[in-house]
Amino acid sequence: DGGITQSPKYLFRKEGQNVTLSCEQNLNHDAMYWYRQDPGQGLRLIYYSQIVNDFQKGDIAEGYSVSREKKESFPLTVTSAQKNPTAFYLCASSKSRFNSNQPQHFGDGTRLSIL
Amino acid sequence: GNSVTQMEGPVTLSEEAFLTINCTYTATGYPSLFWYVQYPGEGLQLLLKATKADDKGSNKGFEATYRKETTSFHLEKGSVQVSDSAVYFCALPSNAGGTSYGKLTFGQGTILTVHP
Repeated sequence: DGGITQSPKYLFRKEGQNVTLSCEQNLNHDAMYWYRQDPGQGLRLIYYSQIVNDFQKGDIAEGYSVSREKKESFPLTVTSAQKNPTAFYLCASSKSRFNSNQPQHFGDGTRLSIL
Repeated sequence: GNSVTQMEGPVTLSEEAFLTINCTYTATGYPSLFWYVQYPGEGLQLLLKATKADDKGSNKGFEATYRKETTSFHLEKGSVQVSDSAVYFCALPSNAGGTSYGKLTFGQGTILTVHP
């Protein structure tokens, strides 16, 4: 079955450490997105990518970085500059950047905590 | 850009009660509208959608009608079950036409708890 796979499900970060969250999709979707979810605050967009080798900052990009070297993969790095990284991170994809009326498909998320 | 206002929760109901979660939107043109559901510890799943005015989206007993006159897309279910306990999000494209580039704007989410 096609879908989005996020790994790991749980991740712990030490102070001053960078950590990378994996997101892989086999839906052949062009666009991919990273969201941060905090309790009671809904979803906030971190970064998004419309095509390979291109990505744009979302609303809360500071302290995060991404890459899009392959269509299927959109990893998110939480850097040591992100002072409050504890949150639930969700990856999503959508079929085409040219169609604004399409749904996004989500992975099951990664929960990041500080040790 | 487009925006959405969602009914604040939490909402607590007894099993078999009627559910309404309100969602109103502000948008340029007539974008598609979506309801997503998030079960504990999981990602979001598309619950239903409507693509034009007066469309009714439905799935798993849930319904929502695209009301252009009132700019609303309220989620309803006639008889909720304990298994419906989850967080529900209303969403729409972030901008009009092609400028959204697939981005969606989500409501804050409404927590629903159903007791036996």
